[in-house]
Amino acid sequence: ETGVTQTPRHLVMGMTNKKSLKCEQHLGHNAMYWYKQSAKKPLELMFVYNFKEQTENNSVPSRFSPECPNSSHLFLHLHTLQPEDSALYLCASSQDLRLAGDEQYFGPGTRLTVT
Amino acid sequence: AQSVSQHNHHVILSEAASLELGCNYSYGGTVNLFWYVQYPGQHLQLLLKYFSGDPLVKGIKGFEAEFIKSKFSFNLRKPSVQWSDTAEYFCAVIPVSGATNKLIFGTGTLLAVQP
Repeated sequence: ETGVTQTPRHLVMGMTNKKSLKCEQHLGHNAMYWYKQSAKKPLELMFVYNFKEQTENNSVPSRFSPECPNSSHLFLHLHTLQPEDSALYLCASSQDLRLAGDEQYFGPGTRLTVT
Repeated sequence: AQSVSQHNHHVILSEAASLELGCNYSYGGTVNLFWYVQYPGQHLQLLLKYFSGDPLVKGIKGFEAEFIKSKFSFNLRKPSVQWSDTAEYFCAVIPVSGATNKLIFGTGTLLAVQP
């Protein structure tokens, strides 16, 4: 069993829908991340949380809203998305982002399709 | 802007052939370097990493990578590939300067090993 789980694994939503992606890590880590993986593009970091505090928002549109209620859970709330937002959304966790070269562990991702 | 380049987007090899995947980064300071692998249908997992010390790093499954600072490169190698090495390989860099653990990924190289 992977240490980082994501649900749902697949999601199809219309542009007017509101949905949420969930990530949970069972590794006792304190930092969590959201990445976007689009075809033929590098993985893009979206948000970073360390000890529940957001430390980075990589110029992500406001239609993506993250929430980190505790160090084990991370959500990505979605509303009024665009078709170009269709991608694989990956969650990752690490021990503490202040540690040099802190290794990140990835979940399996949620494949999102916006229609 | 900091970036990571993987020059080979798609590589096809026969079993037992030798492998070298290129990775170059653009950052003049100290970096931590990583290779991640994503097997079909599985999540991203760490193959090997370099923080300091011996620039020749050995990872899992017979993979190794060499950090050449003067060339800003961190190429991945394996002397004899197997069919089970079919996967997508991602090079990633953390510039060791800021307070965040921001992984910068390359676009990935898809390796297909033919039996």
